[in-house]
Amino acid sequence: DIQMTQSPSSLSASVGDRVTILCRASQSISTYLNWYQQKPGKAPKLLIYGASNLESGVPSRFSGRGSGTEFTLAISTLQPEDFATYYCQQSYGAPYTFGQGTKLEIK
Amino acid sequence: EVQLVESGGGFVQPGRSLRLSCTGSGFAFGGYALSWVRQAPGKGLEWVAFIRSKTYRGTIEYAASVKGRFTISRDDSKGVAYLLMNSLTTEDTAIYYCSRHALTVTDPFDFWGQGTLVAVSS
Repeated sequence: DIQMTQSPSSLSASVGDRVTILCRASQSISTYLNWYQQKPGKAPKLLIYGASNLESGVPSRFSGRGSGTEFTLAISTLQPEDFATYYCQQSYGAPYTFGQGTKLEIK
Repeated sequence: EVQLVESGGGFVQPGRSLRLSCTGSGFAFGGYALSWVRQAPGKGLEWVAFIRSKTYRGTIEYAASVKGRFTISRDDSKGVAYLLMNSLTTEDTAIYYCSRHALTVTDPFDFWGQGTLVAVSS
């Protein structure tokens, strides 16, 4: 199985900051990497697919980069609504695995 | 508007069975792969199973943690996917989400239902 490891597990930041979340795969997954945002009590929401493609309707302050085994999600200017938990997920092959999540909290 | 609505969750004793349903609307249900993803209380996301569209022979895969106990199926004429869960254990306690792959199983989960809670306890 492909293991997905996110870092950090939690992150404190302020409105207006730029933050970056790292996701590493235990083997190459090309660009079959997706990012989701989840708020408490809600279903996850797709943000980025194919490592760098912005899902329709997602603000352009979100961006993704990477290929192979190392990927990043960046949020350029944090807004109050961005404080949530973020998950990476590989869709290279079953079993589809998620990172453990990064909880982004307000400083 | 694309919608996925899960139902069938509840409280169940260990060893018993439960069947979840996922009703889709607002899209050509039969043309998409579907997955179930679960989230134990306070934990991360765990993919459980997928079923491909009939175009891809409706093939199925399961996570190791549920293989042999859970069965995923679909009735495209009704726009419903199912997850039959047998031999439930406390480890299966979670919110179960139905999710749609953008098209095929290598695509991301682009729409999710609101989830249904399964609580396994004696």
